[in-house]
Amino acid sequence: QKEVEQNSGPLSVPEGAIASLNCTYSDRGSQSFFWYRQYSGKSPELIMFIYSNGDKEDGRFTAQLNKASQYVSLLIRDSQPSDSATYLCAVNPSNQFYFGTGTSLTVIP
Amino acid sequence: DAGVIQSPRHEVTEMGQEVTLRCKPISGHDYLFWYRQTMMRGLELLIYFNNNVPIDDSGMPEDRFSAKMPNASFSTLKIQPSEPRDSAVYFCASSIGTSGSNEQFFGPGTRLTVL
Repeated sequence: QKEVEQNSGPLSVPEGAIASLNCTYSDRGSQSFFWYRQYSGKSPELIMFIYSNGDKEDGRFTAQLNKASQYVSLLIRDSQPSDSATYLCAVNPSNQFYFGTGTSLTVIP
Repeated sequence: DAGVIQSPRHEVTEMGQEVTLRCKPISGHDYLFWYRQTMMRGLELLIYFNNNVPIDDSGMPEDRFSAKMPNASFSTLKIQPSEPRDSAVYFCASSIGTSGSNEQFFGPGTRLTVL
């Protein structure tokens, strides 16, 4: 079993819609959870991190964490074509870092 | 700050050759990470350093891989001998710490092709 699982997609949404990206993890000791965005041919860049159960909002982005279900998600409201990228989920148990393989998102104008 | 600097950006070599990838972290960052990214396996942590000392190298695939950090501003990842399955994008990243609020900043990556 992989440490972090993501649906590879591709996920397509129309411009202005909500994009929902999901991630599950296996290590219950994980304390920190991250979402990175990676444009094609570029390096990953951090969008958000979350520690606590519940929601964390930053502009059009909301991260949701449910530790009981070992589930973390990212919602992108009012999706824009510029949001088209691969989104990587990462977890941080015991000073290790595990990334999922990423979900490819395409926002259609 | 120029960000994390990696060189070379692209490397094409033949099987059996030695490959050395280089990284300069952001000044003041105490942690340095080496990752490998492939379509099949995604982004994998190979090794990371704290204050130039290797902390966890459990992700290094085999003895052909080695990494050093002789000082706070320079690290190398060496593959000897290289094999076609080593073809991937290798990223270096640095951060102030390892807790969630300490973002890892990634370099532009080195695309390695082993023929």
